Amino acid sequence: NAGVTQTPKFRILKIGQSMTLQCAQDMNHNYMYWYRQDPGMGLKLIYYSVGAGITDKGEVPNGYNVSRSTTEDFPLRLELAAPSQTSVYFCASSPPPDSTNEKLFFGSGTQLSVL
Amino acid sequence: SQKIEQNSEALNIQEGKTATLTCNYTNYSPAYLQWYRQDPGRGPVFLLLIRENEKEKRKERLKVTFDTTLKQSLFHITASQPADSATYLCATSGTYKYIFGTGTRLKVLA
Repeated sequence: NAGVTQTPKFRILKIGQSMTLQCAQDMNHNYMYWYRQDPGMGLKLIYYSVGAGITDKGEVPNGYNVSRSTTEDFPLRLELAAPSQTSVYFCASSPPPDSTNEKLFFGSGTQLSVL
Repeated sequence: SQKIEQNSEALNIQEGKTATLTCNYTNYSPAYLQWYRQDPGRGPVFLLLIRENEKEKRKERLKVTFDTTLKQSLFHITASQPADSATYLCATSGTYKYIFGTGTRLKVLA
């Protein structure tokens, strides 16, 4: 019963480094999302995908890239890490909107520090 | 722009009392509202969904109301327990799919 799996759990990057946050789900959900959560700021949507090969920007996409080659995987790429990207990152998946079981399933998060 | 707000950043209550958390929305009319629970170091977990044509929904000790006139949802935990201590988030669908409030950190004191 894995649900949504995120790796790594913690990471420290130096300014300018790049990395990929991994996300996989085993619920056959077409919809997947990346959020970042900053203290007192709530969850902000970075990117989302409605199916393999289809991605779109959310509210705060600058500095990030995503790809969706399979239904299961939705990696998030940081190309040139900046201190402003220090945050907790959550991946989530869901059944299609307006379905009877409409809700988000979240991973356990990745705590990223950029120094 | 679409906005969802949880006015209380933190709420402390005594064990056994009813906790009431508020979620307000502006500039749109959502078809539904959701409530999630988030424990420290964990991702949010879905609790309840209430649609615009439902006035009230219950699940065990949880109750959610949806008032489209006041543009507000209330989330109640009756007979609260220390194990209910967590951050509670409200959410709904918006331009960027699901949008979330900033959360209310509930602490139930023994």
